[in-house]
Amino acid sequence: QKEVEQDPGPLSVPEGAIVSLNCTYSNSAFQYFMWYRQYSRKGPELLMYTYSSGNKEDGRFTAQVDKSSKYISLFIRDSQPSDSATYLCAMTSGYSSASKIIFGSGTRLSIRP
Amino acid sequence: EAQVTQNPRYLITVTGKKLTVTCSQNMNHEYMSWYRQDPGLGLRQIYYSMNVEVTDKGDVPEGYKVSRKEKRNFPLILESPSPNQTSLYFCASSPWSGGNEQFFGPGTRLTVL
Repeated sequence: QKEVEQDPGPLSVPEGAIVSLNCTYSNSAFQYFMWYRQYSRKGPELLMYTYSSGNKEDGRFTAQVDKSSKYISLFIRDSQPSDSATYLCAMTSGYSSASKIIFGSGTRLSIRP
Repeated sequence: EAQVTQNPRYLITVTGKKLTVTCSQNMNHEYMSWYRQDPGLGLRQIYYSMNVEVTDKGDVPEGYKVSRKEKRNFPLILESPSPNQTSLYFCASSPWSGGNEQFFGPGTRLTVL
């Protein structure tokens, strides 16, 4: 079993829809949770960063962590064609570069105009 | 502009022909890392470096070498490439005390025939 599981998609939704992307994990030591966005032919870039359980909102994006269920989500409201990308969840147990980050395999998202 | 650069961006080579992929960052980051990205497997760490002259193996180091003689550069060396090293490679860097965000390069797509 992988430490982090992520549905690869692809997921295709119409413009303006609410998108829900999810990851599950098995390591209860994970405390820092991230979502990276990767456009085609580009490197991943950090989109959202949360610590422990709870919600964090940034514009149209909301990251949600449920440590009791070992489940994290990224919600995108009013989705735009420019949101079309692969979204990678990532998580780690410590707050420093020395802490190993485990990435999900990514969900490919397409927003139809 | 703060960035991580990689060269070449695309490379097709043959089995056994030594190659080097260069990585350079201009953000004075201590930590640098190499990943490979394969469908369904996500990002897997090959090698990482905490600082100059300090390197260590990641999850999939076999067949790769690295060196860190200068803070800004972290080349990835494939002494005798094999077809199973065909992949998309990313270099990343982060500041030692800056949390978990990693800054990724644009990627190098390598094909070994």
